[in-house]
Amino acid sequence: SAVISQKPSRDICQRGTSLTIQCQVDSQVTMMFWYRQQPGQSLTLIATANQGSEATYESGFVIDKFPISRPNLTFSTLTVSNMSPEDSSIYLCSAGGAAAYEQYFGPGTRLTVT
Amino acid sequence: QKEVEQNSGPLSVPEGAIASLNCTYSDRGSQSFFWYRQYSGKSPELIMSIYSNGDKEDGRFTAQLNKASQYVSLLIRDSQPSDSATYLCAVNTGTASKLTFGTGTRLQVTL
Repeated sequence: SAVISQKPSRDICQRGTSLTIQCQVDSQVTMMFWYRQQPGQSLTLIATANQGSEATYESGFVIDKFPISRPNLTFSTLTVSNMSPEDSSIYLCSAGGAAAYEQYFGPGTRLTVT
Repeated sequence: QKEVEQNSGPLSVPEGAIASLNCTYSDRGSQSFFWYRQYSGKSPELIMSIYSNGDKEDGRFTAQLNKASQYVSLLIRDSQPSDSATYLCAVNTGTASKLTFGTGTRLQVTL
């Protein structure tokens, strides 16, 4: 299984600012994914990031608010822009595994917006 | 109708008993099914995957899939307090590679 790291692990940000979250995988992967998990809730997919193409966003998420980069097969970033307290959440990245459709998760970034 | 449904629990079982966790899904075309374990404050950890009807065993865990009835279950034998966590069911619901997650079932294993 892939080993995934995320930075930062947590942050407290002021409203109106932006935060970029980094996700690093220890091996080359085609698919990377970004999720949001509100306290006590399940995972909501924000977007799918393939290397060399634009990210595919889920309903309710837009590129201007959550721009994503995928410069190579081991790295991706998610930016949370113009933050509001409603963006306070845990943000998780995942990477596809060897078997069909399986995903492995990074440790997450806990974001608090004040 | 939710695409992937789970009972939120908590499901409480005594130590040493069998815990049975269930998940139903709405898309008949789903082909891949996964169980993740998530401890409080941690990220989800993949523990089982199943792709065809029947049972798949891995240690104390058994995943069961019935595509005709559109349900997938996870059995945990000889439950331990360390199994106390939220168990998330995830389904690949289309041709895209993304997964749809259920809301999770919280399992409590009591001494």
